Amino acid sequence: ETGVTQTPRHLVMGMTNKKSLKCEQHLGHNAMYWYKQSAKKPLELMFVYNFKEQTENNSVPSRFSPECPNSSHLFLHLHTLQPEDSALYLCASSQDSRGGNIQYFGAGTRLSVL
Amino acid sequence: QKEVEQDPGPLSVPEGAIVSLNCTYSNSAFQYFMWYRQYSRKGPELLMYTYSSGNKEDGRFTAQVDKSSKYISLFIRDSQPSDSATYLCIIQGAQKLVFGQGTRLTINP
Repeated sequence: ETGVTQTPRHLVMGMTNKKSLKCEQHLGHNAMYWYKQSAKKPLELMFVYNFKEQTENNSVPSRFSPECPNSSHLFLHLHTLQPEDSALYLCASSQDSRGGNIQYFGAGTRLSVL
Repeated sequence: QKEVEQDPGPLSVPEGAIVSLNCTYSNSAFQYFMWYRQYSRKGPELLMYTYSSGNKEDGRFTAQVDKSSKYISLFIRDSQPSDSATYLCIIQGAQKLVFGQGTRLTINP
């Protein structure tokens, strides 16, 4: 176990549904990240939170809405998704968001949008 | 030009072979170089971390960084079927993080 737990592991949703992904880290880190991993593509960084403040949003569509209530928890709220949003969504944490800090990843949520 | 390039493979070798995985990058400001391994249905896990040119060895794994050529490599000696996974290079500067596409490696018994 990496100390980063993601739930659920698998999610199937329709295009009109609303669902949330949850990430929790037990490492005492201050930075948390959401990534999208699609087949045959590099990891895509979506959002970065450092000390609960969002510091990066990589032009992510508004149908993805992150929430970071404290340094240990991160959510990704999903609504009116498209089939092309089907992917593995990974959460990671690091000591803080400065370069050189090692990121620890969760196992991911496999999302299928029908 | 992409900021980092990694041959996606797939790469298939027999057990016991030496494996060489590579990434090239374009920005000389990048300072931190990591290799992650990702098994099927799992998240990436850190394998090697270096921040200077040269070699770093850990068991059967050696990470090599050549900053002058902007080229990093991961060597796996005496490869085992359990090494079958996708290997990602992650390269960082002070404020930026870039990812290779990942190389899918299969070690055949």
